[in-house]
Amino acid sequence: NAGVMQNPRHLVRRRGQEARLRCSPMKGHSHVYWYRQLPEEGLKFMVYLQKENIIDESGMPKERFSAEFPKEGPSILRIQQVVRGDSAAYFCASSTRTSGRDTQYFGPGTRLTVL
Amino acid sequence: AQSVTQLGSHVSVSEGALVLLRCNYSSSVPPYLFWYVQYPNQGLQLLLKYTSAATLVKGINGFEAEFKKSETSFHLTKPSAHMSDAAEYFCAVSATPTGTASKLTFGTGTRLQVTL
Repeated sequence: NAGVMQNPRHLVRRRGQEARLRCSPMKGHSHVYWYRQLPEEGLKFMVYLQKENIIDESGMPKERFSAEFPKEGPSILRIQQVVRGDSAAYFCASSTRTSGRDTQYFGPGTRLTVL
Repeated sequence: AQSVTQLGSHVSVSEGALVLLRCNYSSSVPPYLFWYVQYPNQGLQLLLKYTSAATLVKGINGFEAEFKKSETSFHLTKPSAHMSDAAEYFCAVSATPTGTASKLTFGTGTRLQVTL
């Protein structure tokens, strides 16, 4: 059973470009979470999605960031007009249910570098 | 609101010595608590979790943690450190009512160094 998959693993963008990060949850998981890890910091929650629905986006910056989890295909985190401060590791996690006790399984992350 | 405090951003122990990584939490509802380990350039791997059953929780790789409500703590321990334990360790809390979004709130992490 494959784990959570993220691609690309490394992404380099110039300021003003768009970044698209993909996450395929574990088989059978319908809940996806995105977290951001800035250098030397812990992970910060960004958004929680179920298929075709955004459930909680309280951690998402108000501008330039968006996320989706379509009926078919991976979840996408999209960052428009990237700035140097967007450089970070972005992790996706998935779980089977929405209970707080459920384990979130993390992918290997996408490391975004903005030049 | 919920929060996690990890005391000590860096901890160094000798191989074979006791490992103690501290975690204190704040939550307005009964929490679920997690410890994750992150090796360089990798994702997070679950070590163990507390979900309101036994207060002493055993995890993988010989780690365990004890939930102490009176101290609002969930410290991670291992009796004897191994070189392969060198990594970053994150404590996290999920403290939402059943059936609602279970986002995790993480501490800032503790980097464990193991020396010969």
